[in-house]
Amino acid sequence: SAVISQKPSRDICQRGTSLTIQCQVDSQVTMMFWYRQQPGQSLTLIATANQGSEATYESGFVIDKFPISRPNLTFSTLTVSNMSPEDSSIYLCSVEDRGAADYGYTFGSGTRLTVV
Amino acid sequence: DAKTTQPNSMESNEEEPVHLPCNHSTISGTDYIHWYRQLPSQGPEYVIHGLTSNVNNRMASLAIAEDRKSSTLILHRATLRDAAVYYCILMDTDKLIFGTGTRLQVFP
Repeated sequence: SAVISQKPSRDICQRGTSLTIQCQVDSQVTMMFWYRQQPGQSLTLIATANQGSEATYESGFVIDKFPISRPNLTFSTLTVSNMSPEDSSIYLCSVEDRGAADYGYTFGSGTRLTVV
Repeated sequence: DAKTTQPNSMESNEEEPVHLPCNHSTISGTDYIHWYRQLPSQGPEYVIHGLTSNVNNRMASLAIAEDRKSSTLILHRATLRDAAVYYCILMDTDKLIFGTGTRLQVFP
């Protein structure tokens, strides 16, 4: 299965600042996905990041707030901009893992963000 | 994406089988049924998926109703490590849309 390294694992940030989260995969993948998991809630898809094109955002998420980069087939970043306490969540990246014996999607361990 | 309905929570004793139900009455012919689980403080992990036929792998079995309007994830012998939130997801595109899932508690 693909192995995802997500950094940072956690951070505490001041409101009004921005945080960039990195997602590194050990194999080339076409699509990478970014999710948000608010405290006690399920996962919500933020956007799909394709290499060489702009990310596709889900309803309720906009590029100005969550800019995404996808410079190559193994790396992506998600920035949480102008943060407020409501942005306190776990942010996870995911990739489609067609190389796995059991086809599925692999997730990173997440970035736990607290905004104060 | 078509919707799924799962019980909020279920309980099991260790080493007993667990049957986790999922209703998806609006499923379309091209929707795959996927199951993922999220252990505490971890990202979700793939469990199993199927289209029409029952499926088995090293983690679990997936039983799909003949009309495909419901499915059941079967853990043959629950362990304490199986305590997690289990998500039943219908996919006809390349993205996973999570519902609220079933929180499974396993007691020794």
